Amino acid sequence: GENVEQHPSTLSVQEGDSAVIKCTYSDSASNYFPWYKQELGKRPQLIIDIRSNVGEKKDQRIAVTLNKTAKHFSLHITETQPEDSAVYFCAASRSGYALNFGKGTSLLVTP
Amino acid sequence: GAVVSQHPSWVICKSGTSVKIECRSLDFQATTMFWYRQFPKQSLMLMATSNEGSKATYEQGVEKDKFLINHASLTLSTLTVTSAHPEDSSFYICSAPRTGWSSYEQYFGPGTRLTVT
Repeated sequence: GENVEQHPSTLSVQEGDSAVIKCTYSDSASNYFPWYKQELGKRPQLIIDIRSNVGEKKDQRIAVTLNKTAKHFSLHITETQPEDSAVYFCAASRSGYALNFGKGTSLLVTP
Repeated sequence: GAVVSQHPSWVICKSGTSVKIECRSLDFQATTMFWYRQFPKQSLMLMATSNEGSKATYEQGVEKDKFLINHASLTLSTLTVTSAHPEDSSFYICSAPRTGWSSYEQYFGPGTRLTVT
């Protein structure tokens, strides 16, 4: 089955700096790679996703890059703000199948 | 956007009793729903795939006789935790993709916090 590795497990940055979280996956058939932000006790919130036919996608301060050959994808958050502090999960799946999640990254943005 | 609801949002039950959790897609049809479990400070782990009109598919290590799943309609899946024990205390979340749509996105319910005393 799919195995998703996520690093780092914790990340602390100063407000205004950039944050990068990286994930690798094992199943070459995976074609959907979403990123979620989860606050304590809440459902995961989709912040950006990318399909396997695209190498990069950007939405304001958030971007995701995908390298299918190397089977890794990354989340980039620029100009971080304290409200970006949360746990972030990457996931990988085939369309219509269950999501396989990474172990999560706890991001802390200090003012 | 597509909306998924869960009921109850939290429940406390005594050891040995059963608890039913409902997952509903409110404005779309979902022939498939997924059930995840999340322990504190851990990731979401897939428990089972719920298929409308057929038996659920359980992940390795998940007891199908303990976690009963029923998906009797295109908008409702239920998870029943039977003979609950304290180690079943967790956050249970369902998700569903839209049936018939090309979107790969899955829509999550708000989760159910189960505490077994």
